[in-house]
Amino acid sequence: DMKVTQMPRYLIKRMGENVLLECGQDMSHETMYWYRQDPGLGLQLIYISYDVDSNSEGDIPKGYRVSRKKREHFSLILDSAKTNQTSVYFCASSTGQNTEVFFGKGTRLTVV
Amino acid sequence: QQQVRQSPQSLTVWEGETAILNCSYEDSTFNYFPWYQQFPGEGPALLISIRSVSDKKEDGRFTIFFNKREKKLSLHITDSQPGDSATYFCAASAGSTNAYKVIFGKGTHLHVLP
Repeated sequence: DMKVTQMPRYLIKRMGENVLLECGQDMSHETMYWYRQDPGLGLQLIYISYDVDSNSEGDIPKGYRVSRKKREHFSLILDSAKTNQTSVYFCASSTGQNTEVFFGKGTRLTVV
Repeated sequence: QQQVRQSPQSLTVWEGETAILNCSYEDSTFNYFPWYQQFPGEGPALLISIRSVSDKKEDGRFTIFFNKREKKLSLHITDSQPGDSATYFCAASAGSTNAYKVIFGKGTHLHVLP
């Protein structure tokens, strides 16, 4: 069963706390992504990972960092979370260029 | 910098009608255009896609029309059903070193009334 799994699904953090969002996929996809989705803004790309320890900034990387130590896992880290990072975060994976991107169900993060 | 634009932002149709969702893009290197469907509480899922060598792609009730010269495409949903109510994202990627980077539009919210 092809799946992208995100944990946790819901998270509330205080401003200034560190946040770790985790993502796993069982399809052995090389490429993984982190997007955030805000009302009226669609999906914005935060980071792309081409494989283990091969990560590249997307369109809105400021305030975020990522870690990929195993092909099946891709983490998004917010050091000292800010209220404007309240959003729904989606992890996704694909086999590579111009192919279907598989999305997880998202993590709704609220920073208060 | 918005490279993929969608219109309308919201669309309401009656059951059985054809819904037309529009998309345009700026980057002439884009050559792959997927459409994703998203239901509330779920992640987007691929609905249908087209490559720039084609001008039409059909899958059941869903058809993409593509105009490369005008950098426009549209998704037609015929015989719309209430279950089609969702947000639809047009996306694009390029056949180059940026092919991994998928750019999404802001989405069209489709409401199909019974």
